[in-house]
Amino acid sequence: RKEVEQDPGPFNVPEGATVAFNCTYSNSASQSFFWYRQDCRKEPKLLMSVYSSGNEDGRFTAQLNRASQYISLLIRDSKLSDSATYLCVVIHYGNNRLAFGKGNQVVVIP
Amino acid sequence: NAGVTQTPKFQVLKTGQSMTLQCAQDMNHNSMYWYRQDPGMGLRLIYYSASEGTTDKGEVPNGYNVSRLNKREFSLRLESAAPSQTSVYFCASSTGLGNTEAFFGQGTRLTVV
Repeated sequence: RKEVEQDPGPFNVPEGATVAFNCTYSNSASQSFFWYRQDCRKEPKLLMSVYSSGNEDGRFTAQLNRASQYISLLIRDSKLSDSATYLCVVIHYGNNRLAFGKGNQVVVIP
Repeated sequence: NAGVTQTPKFQVLKTGQSMTLQCAQDMNHNSMYWYRQDPGMGLRLIYYSASEGTTDKGEVPNGYNVSRLNKREFSLRLESAAPSQTSVYFCASSTGLGNTEAFFGQGTRLTVV
């Protein structure tokens, strides 16, 4: 089983709609969780950290469920500029390696 | 503030040739990483360096070597390039404290023919 699993999609989303997707991780000792955004042919950049209590940044909401070992990302009121690949990142205790999922590709349609 | 700088941005190699990808960061980060990204495969860790003087294998280390030259620089070497190493390579760095952001270079697009 992969360390971090994501459904690659694509997720075709009408402009203004809400889209949500999950990422599951296999190692229960995982320490920290993040969502990164990657635009086509560019480097990944941090979108937001994911805290145990959940957190929100504007139209973006991230949740962590340790019992079921998944994190989620919800995008409200989707904009054309939200079209990108969203990468789930998990860091493990002890070695601080960043493990990436394959990413969720989001395409916002006018 | 340059962040993470990778060179070169593009490279074409013939099978069997060698080359070194350079990476430098100016954020005084302890940890540095090399990833490759292939279509449908996501980012896979090749090697990482938790701190100056240490290196460890990641998920796909075969065919590569690394050097953590000093705190700033972490290079990736292909001794004998193979077509299977055609990929986009990203260098990244972080404080290594576990809950902090990793910063990426702009990537090196390598084609081995």
